[in-house]
Amino acid sequence: DVKVTQSSRYLVKRTGEKVFLECVQDMDHENMFWYRQDPGLGLRLIYFSYDVKMKEKGDIPEGYSVSREKKERFSLILESASTNQTSMYLCASGARGYTFGSGTRLTVV
Amino acid sequence: AQKVTQAQTEISVVEKEDVTLDCVYETRDTTYYLFWYKQPPSGELVFLIRRNSFDEQNEISGRYSWNFQKSTSSFNFTITASQVVDSAVYFCALSEGDDKIIFGKGTRLHILP
Repeated sequence: DVKVTQSSRYLVKRTGEKVFLECVQDMDHENMFWYRQDPGLGLRLIYFSYDVKMKEKGDIPEGYSVSREKKERFSLILESASTNQTSMYLCASGARGYTFGSGTRLTVV
Repeated sequence: AQKVTQAQTEISVVEKEDVTLDCVYETRDTTYYLFWYKQPPSGELVFLIRRNSFDEQNEISGRYSWNFQKSTSSFNFTITASQVVDSAVYFCALSEGDDKIIFGKGTRLHILP
């Protein structure tokens, strides 16, 4: 069964902390994506990557960065967490349609 | 610019009723893909269907059906004889071929027993 795995289901962090959200896929996909989901706003694209070492900004990259050192792993980094980054974060991989991870609900206090 | 509009924020119907979720999209490309995803209360997004812009045939899968009309830029989703397990948030989405998918804001569907 193909999978996208996000390392944490729930996470609570303090304002100003550096936060790493990890995503691993076992489908040998080139493309990987990070979205955040907020009530009333739907899913918004933060960053994406079409290849190892490659990254592109999505619609809302401010306050985030990413790392893709290996094909199967795509990490989202909150350089200095703020309360407005409290959200559900969804990782996805694939082309012409994605497989999603189960999400990480991050709370910044 | 690409855009997906789901005008219905929330819908409630009684079990066994039919329900249609509306989706209108905007794109300048002639080649694009349309999607529907389901997000049950557990939170994981589940892929339901993908259509490409060259295939306007309607599709039926069990109680689910999709109506794609390029003339009105719509890709509507109908659930026939709804069941409580259909309660979820449903997202319509669009990709213009660069594999980035833009999502609508979702429609929350409540099926009442």
